[in-house]
Amino acid sequence: DAMVIQNPRYQVTQFGKPVTLSCSQTLNHNVMYWYQQKSSQAPKLLFHYYDKDFNNEADTPDNFQSRRPNTSFCFLDIRSPGLGDAAMYLCATSLSRVAGVFADTQYFGPGTRLTVL
Amino acid sequence: GIQVEQSPPDLILQEGANSTLRCNFSDSVNNLQWFHQNPWGQLINLFYIPSGTKQNGRLSATTVATERYSLLYISSSQTTDSGVYFCAVEPNYGQNFVFGPGTRLSVLP
Repeated sequence: DAMVIQNPRYQVTQFGKPVTLSCSQTLNHNVMYWYQQKSSQAPKLLFHYYDKDFNNEADTPDNFQSRRPNTSFCFLDIRSPGLGDAAMYLCATSLSRVAGVFADTQYFGPGTRLTVL
Repeated sequence: GIQVEQSPPDLILQEGANSTLRCNFSDSVNNLQWFHQNPWGQLINLFYIPSGTKQNGRLSATTVATERYSLLYISSSQTTDSGVYFCAVEPNYGQNFVFGPGTRLSVLP
């Protein structure tokens, strides 16, 4: 089945130790998103890629970076995790963008729950 | 930026009951979606509905774009409907997807 896969499902890191989260998709979608969801809160968009075009949300901290080496894979790098970065990180995809808007359904992966010690 | 409100914040139902969840938004939108987040954290797309009415089994949704609200109807609720229901919108002026705060639904057997 076509899907969005996130690895690992659970990640534990130490304060200040860089960590990378992975997302892959078999849907062949052009757009990939990374969201952060803290406990009992709504998901918050960090950034997205439309093909290789990277779009950062204005309030996303510099500590968060992303890479998309090809259509199928996208990575979230947290350069120096702080205790406040503990959260669920959700990857999503959508097929395309039409006339500059995301007029399409988003499909989410199962998420990676990050713990910072 | 756009403001998205959802009501009620919490809802407890007996299995078999019907319910209506509401999403209000402060500006015109290009895109509106309803999601269900199950107790394990998986977000499932329910409807892509920037306007009009759609139905899928026991669920249906209506968006009245001119009045800036959307409704999600759940009929004959089941315990597996428990979780958090989010609406998410993409405003006309190019801000990316914004999620509402969610409605937490508990369906009791």
